[in-house]
Amino acid sequence: SQQGEEDPQALSIQEGENATMNCSYKTSINNLQWYRQNSGRGLVHLILIRSNEREKHSGRLRVTLDTSKKSSSLLITASRAADTASYFCATDASKKFGNEKLTFGTGTRLTIIP
Amino acid sequence: DTAVSQTPKYLVTQMGNDKSIKCEQNLGHDTMYWYKQDSKKFLKIMFSYNNKELIINETVPNRFSPKSPDKAHLNLHINSLELGDSAVYFCASSHIAGGAQYFGPGTRLLVL
Repeated sequence: SQQGEEDPQALSIQEGENATMNCSYKTSINNLQWYRQNSGRGLVHLILIRSNEREKHSGRLRVTLDTSKKSSSLLITASRAADTASYFCATDASKKFGNEKLTFGTGTRLTIIP
Repeated sequence: DTAVSQTPKYLVTQMGNDKSIKCEQNLGHDTMYWYKQDSKKFLKIMFSYNNKELIINETVPNRFSPKSPDKAHLNLHINSLELGDSAVYFCASSHIAGGAQYFGPGTRLLVL
């Protein structure tokens, strides 16, 4: 079964507002990553947070990780029309060194209304 | 200057045919991957290679055969294409397994 489940499945907000997406996963992880996918394009890596980190920032992005709840959130502040995309969380839960792989969640479709 | 490139971008073919998708990365990464994204946007890993060696094979039918001639290339050959193979196939690479991955633009495969 899938490791990550994003919530909500779809989100529409006005430009300038903040957008928050959540990701829940099932097993212990080494790291959790967030990716963006624009329509018809490949995924773009946004941020990686390790299991021993609780919060990370990158520009207008803020990611939190709560390993006790097995959840993460992605906050995009001051949203722009260009942020319209699907956002995926992905977890590396590999137990064996050299056998790492990412398991992707179901994605949140974010629409920014100009 | 494309980091991860795939060819072709679109592939329309008949059931039963054999086709190949090529992937190249110029990032100097050791690890490369193939993913399949279905119509519901669910992305699932198929294979991973590290320095030309197969590391992960995620119960993919043996009609799918990856080949890595060198660590910058990972090609995917598909035999006897089926309707259910229709999807978008993404190649990706990373400096280390489990690290940030860089994705190609995808190959949209439609099997008729």
